[in-house]
Amino acid sequence: QKEVEQDPGPLSVPEGAIVSLNCTYSNSAFQYFMWYRQYSRKGPELLMYTYSSGNKEDGRFTAQVDKSSKYISLFIRDSQPSDSATYLCAMSASGSEKLVFGKGMKLTVNP
Amino acid sequence: GAVVSQHPSWVICKSGTSVKIECRSLDFQATTMFWYRQFPKQSLMLMATSNEGSKATYEQGVEKDKFLINHASLTLSTLTVTSAHPEDSSFYICSASSSGQGIEKLFFGSGTQLSVL
Repeated sequence: QKEVEQDPGPLSVPEGAIVSLNCTYSNSAFQYFMWYRQYSRKGPELLMYTYSSGNKEDGRFTAQVDKSSKYISLFIRDSQPSDSATYLCAMSASGSEKLVFGKGMKLTVNP
Repeated sequence: GAVVSQHPSWVICKSGTSVKIECRSLDFQATTMFWYRQFPKQSLMLMATSNEGSKATYEQGVEKDKFLINHASLTLSTLTVTSAHPEDSSFYICSASSSGQGIEKLFFGSGTQLSVL
């Protein structure tokens, strides 16, 4: 079993849809949970960052962490074509910058 | 946000040759740089961690004699794939951070697609 599992998709949705992206993990030591967005031919950029369990909201984006289920989610409300990108979840045990990544989910939002 | 420049963005080389990839932090001092590799439909996998002025620390299964990492300055780290073979064809990406800044201040380059013929 891989440490971090993420469905690579691809996922295609109409503009305005609510998008749900998920990752599961096996290492209970993970405490830091990140979502990165990666546009084509660009490096990943940090979108959301959560420590331990709970929710975090930033504009149209909400990150949720359920440590009891070892499950994290990213919700995108009112999705826009500009949200079309690959979304990667990443985790760290100690806050160290050594990250363990999911495979990334390619999202397309159609106008 | 801070900028990490990675060059080249893609390279094609013959089997047996060596390829150097550069990773530069443009507006901050990168005390630590990380090198990742990503095969098609797979996760970004950490290859090694380099601290300025020190030898790189390689992850299990990564050949340090094949993937030479140099981090001689606070703004530049290089990854050299020596005697490249087709199985080394992959997407290589670096990330950089400044000491004590934490995960939120970790920035990635745009990656290098290496194709070995």
